[in-house]
Amino acid sequence: AQSVTQLDSQVPVFEEAPVELRCNYSSSVSVYLFWYVQYPNQGLQLLLKYLSGSTLVKGINGFEAEFNKSQTSFHLRKPSVHISDTAEYFCAVSDYFHGDMRFGAGTRLTVKP
Amino acid sequence: GAVVSQHPSWVICKSGTSVKIECRSLDFQATTMFWYRQFPKQSLMLMATSNEGSKATYEQGVEKDKFLINHASLTLSTLTVTSAHPEDSSFYICSAKTGGVYNEQFFGPGTRLTVL
Repeated sequence: AQSVTQLDSQVPVFEEAPVELRCNYSSSVSVYLFWYVQYPNQGLQLLLKYLSGSTLVKGINGFEAEFNKSQTSFHLRKPSVHISDTAEYFCAVSDYFHGDMRFGAGTRLTVKP
Repeated sequence: GAVVSQHPSWVICKSGTSVKIECRSLDFQATTMFWYRQFPKQSLMLMATSNEGSKATYEQGVEKDKFLINHASLTLSTLTVTSAHPEDSSFYICSAKTGGVYNEQFFGPGTRLTVL
């Protein structure tokens, strides 16, 4: 079974500063990795995903993440955040065979002016 | 892109009544649909996995007689919360998988259930 650990429950940051949201996973099989964003009272929006190939994945809204197999990490980064990036961010893992997805506990990103 | 809708977006009901939530894939056929529950300020917890035409597979600790799932077609799955109680109040989110190679799931906007 897979599991995901998001190391920071809350990340406050000032506008235009860089940010990194950390995610580690564990799995005995090969996995797919995802980052989702959730705004209040809304569903999930996919930011980016790692399926295979290049370990640096670029997503929407200027976000990117790097898959590190040796460290079992998939940290999310953005070089300059905006107020509108304030939201809850979830890292998720899905295995190749069953497709069911496991989510981390979430990281609340708060961007301050 | 693939779109998943949920209806209703929010519902308030009295304790003891049953509530049905619909999940539809609007522009693709979903071989598998998933139901998640999210309590305030918490992550999404997988409740069950449903494949079209077969019985749903429930996660450990989820009561299958309380949370009835029907996946009657490739575009529709329903979750019925039977005899709802205040502790069932939550945000319910469905997702649908296209069945392609990458197992990508597309999420619905969620349904806020409040049981009085």
